[in-house]
Amino acid sequence: DTGVSQDPRHKITKRGQNVTFRCDPISEHNRLYWYRQTLGQGPEFLTYFQNEAQLEKSRLLSDRFSAERPKGSFSTLEIQRTEQGDSAMYLCASGTYGAKSSYTFGSGTRLTVV
Amino acid sequence: AQKITQTQPGMFVQEKEAVTLDCTYDTSDPSYGLFWYKQPSSGEMIFLIYQGSYDQQNATEGRYSLNFQKARKSANLVISASQLGDSAMYFCAMREGLTGNQFYFGTGTSLTVIP
Repeated sequence: DTGVSQDPRHKITKRGQNVTFRCDPISEHNRLYWYRQTLGQGPEFLTYFQNEAQLEKSRLLSDRFSAERPKGSFSTLEIQRTEQGDSAMYLCASGTYGAKSSYTFGSGTRLTVV
Repeated sequence: AQKITQTQPGMFVQEKEAVTLDCTYDTSDPSYGLFWYKQPSSGEMIFLIYQGSYDQQNATEGRYSLNFQKARKSANLVISASQLGDSAMYFCAMREGLTGNQFYFGTGTSLTVIP
């Protein structure tokens, strides 16, 4: 397994368009996370899945954002009616249960809304 | 209040020297985990080191060590024998509870290693 994969690496879209990102976690990891990172800031938590169940969502995840993880494998993050404020790096991470368990992050999808 | 504070936006260090990156945290939970990540220009967050709130000794991983001062709520990262490849952003993070569902990250410190 080569780690967490995210696709695409970069996305430029016009304001108002919908975009969808994909994350393929490490296969044996049952936990999957989405974070958003804006310029000069650390990553901020968006949502968390355990297997296929979305167990936690941040208030940052407005109703224009939706995330899915069908069958507990890959996950998608969709942003509808994009706004310029959505421009950011979207990071996916996967992990397992345990106190010392850290995340393994993907390289992220950089979204630019013009 | 910020849960993680990193007060050094940028740091410079001479190659082969040691450098300390500061991190303070804020939580009322007696159980928590502290993590350091490295983010090179490629964007991927790379896990470096972990310290649990009940760990008696400071964590070490190769050239990385964590100077954990619980009473001061600080968890500084020490990189010994800096290498050019250490140039990157470094983020301190905390997870509340032993198995909490989200990490809180600081704003990061940009480290530049000078040859």
